[in-house]
Amino acid sequence: RKEVEQDPGPFNVPEGATVAFNCTYSNSASQSFFWYRQDCRKEPKLLMSVYSSGNEDGRFTAQLNRASQYISLLIRDSKLSDSATYLCVVTPYSGYNKLIFGAGTRLAVHP
Amino acid sequence: DGGITQSPKYLFRKEGQNVTLSCEQNLNHDAMYWYRQDPGQGLRLIYYSQIVNDFQKGDIAEGYSVSREKKESFPLTVTSAQKNPTAFYLCASSTGPGGNQPQHFGDGTRLSIL
Repeated sequence: RKEVEQDPGPFNVPEGATVAFNCTYSNSASQSFFWYRQDCRKEPKLLMSVYSSGNEDGRFTAQLNRASQYISLLIRDSKLSDSATYLCVVTPYSGYNKLIFGAGTRLAVHP
Repeated sequence: DGGITQSPKYLFRKEGQNVTLSCEQNLNHDAMYWYRQDPGQGLRLIYYSQIVNDFQKGDIAEGYSVSREKKESFPLTVTSAQKNPTAFYLCASSTGPGGNQPQHFGDGTRLSIL
C-alpha cells in the first residue's frame, strides 16, 4: 500500500464548478499535511497547509480527518487557471522534515 | 528576490558519464532536498541535508551522490551507476527540520540519456 494515495483523475469540470479531491495516508502518526499545486512540466508550489480544524484560503478549503486518515481539498467556483495537478503531501512524524508526496490528482477546467 | 536556482534546465548524459546538477538557494534555509519525479508518479526523495556538512540518504539514493559544503549549495551528481537517470529532478529547501515546515522548490532539471 502506498503511503499517500490519490485518485489520479483527470477531473474534467466546467468553469464555476465545485470540485473536491481526497487523499488517504497510511501512517497514523503523520503530523503535518499540505496541498501543493504542480503545473505541467513545472515545479510543485505550496497551495496551503492543512490544519486539524480545517482551513480556508479564498476559494480553497482543506480538511483533515485523522480518524479516517484522509485529507480533502475543495475548490469552489473553478477557474481555467486552476487546471493543474494537485499533490497531497504528508510528513510521517514529528521532528522529521521528510515529506511524502502523493502522485497527484489532475484537474482540467474547461470553458 | 529570494529563491532556489537549479541549473541547467536541460541536461543530456552519455553512457558511463557522471553529471552534476546544481542547486543554489538564497533563502537562508538550513535544510535542502533532492527529489526525482517520473511521469505519473509522485516525487521520490533521493538525498536530504538538514545542516551544512551533513546529509542523509532518501528512498532512492543508489546511483546518486551529494555534498553540502556550503549552506547555499547542494549539488547532486548522477553517477554512471544510475542506470535509469531520465527524469525530472527537483531541488527543495525548508527553514529547518520539523514536520510543519513546507518545502520550496527550484524549477527543476530535466535529465535525459543520449
